[in-house]
Amino acid sequence: DSGVTQTPKHLITATGQRVTLRCSPRSGDLSVYWYQQSLDQGLQFLIQYYNGEERAKGNILERFSAQQFPDLHSELNLSSLELGDSALYFCASSALGDYEQYFGPGTRLTVT
Amino acid sequence: GESVGLHLPTLSVQEGDNSIINCAYSNSASDYFIWYKQESGKGPQFIIDIRSNMDKRQGQRVTVLLNKTVKHLSLQIAATQPGDSAVYFCAEADYSTLTFGKGTMLLVSP
Repeated sequence: DSGVTQTPKHLITATGQRVTLRCSPRSGDLSVYWYQQSLDQGLQFLIQYYNGEERAKGNILERFSAQQFPDLHSELNLSSLELGDSALYFCASSALGDYEQYFGPGTRLTVT
Repeated sequence: GESVGLHLPTLSVQEGDNSIINCAYSNSASDYFIWYKQESGKGPQFIIDIRSNMDKRQGQRVTVLLNKTVKHLSLQIAATQPGDSAVYFCAEADYSTLTFGKGTMLLVSP
C-alpha cells in the first residue's frame, strides 16, 4: 500500500458527460501528480500541483482540469468526455524535491 | 486483473534466471532515472533509482545500469521469481516531472 488513495476505483459514463476523480496523497506529501494510462499512449503525465498551486503541466487537454485543496487532496475534472478518454487515471504524490513518486491504485474510466 | 498494455515488448524467463530489461531515454539533460514495476490492476511501484552522475546502482536482487553515451538504461533482476511478473517502466526526471517509457512485460514461468 503506497499510502495514496483514489476514488472511485471504477467509473462508467457516457460521452459528453463530466466526471471528477479524487486523490488523497500520502501523509506529509505536498506534491500531487496526475497521469493517464491508455493502451496506445502508455503512462502520460498530465499535471502537477504543489501545496495548492499548479507546478507543471504535461499533455493535459483543455477539457481536463485539476485542483489541489487546502487539505492537500486533489481532484481531476474531465469534461465533454469522449470515447478516447477511456483509460486508467493515476494519482501520485511525493515530498518536496523528491523524485520518488508514490502511485495510487488508479481510477478506471470507461466512456461509452 | 486488468492489462496495462496488450502490445508491449515481452520478456519471458524461467524462475531462477536473471532478467535484463532495457530502456532507451530521450532527454540527455535528465538528471535522474527511475524504474517502476506495475502489477496487473495496480499502480506503478518504485523499484530503484539512479542519478545521472552514476553508472550503476544495486538494490536487493536488482541492479540498474546507466549508459549516458548511448542514452540507455537497464534493469537487471537476479534469480527472477514468479512474483516479479509485471510490466516494468523506466522513467526519466526533469525537475520533478517524470517521463515514462512504454514499458516491458516480464513473464516468469515456474
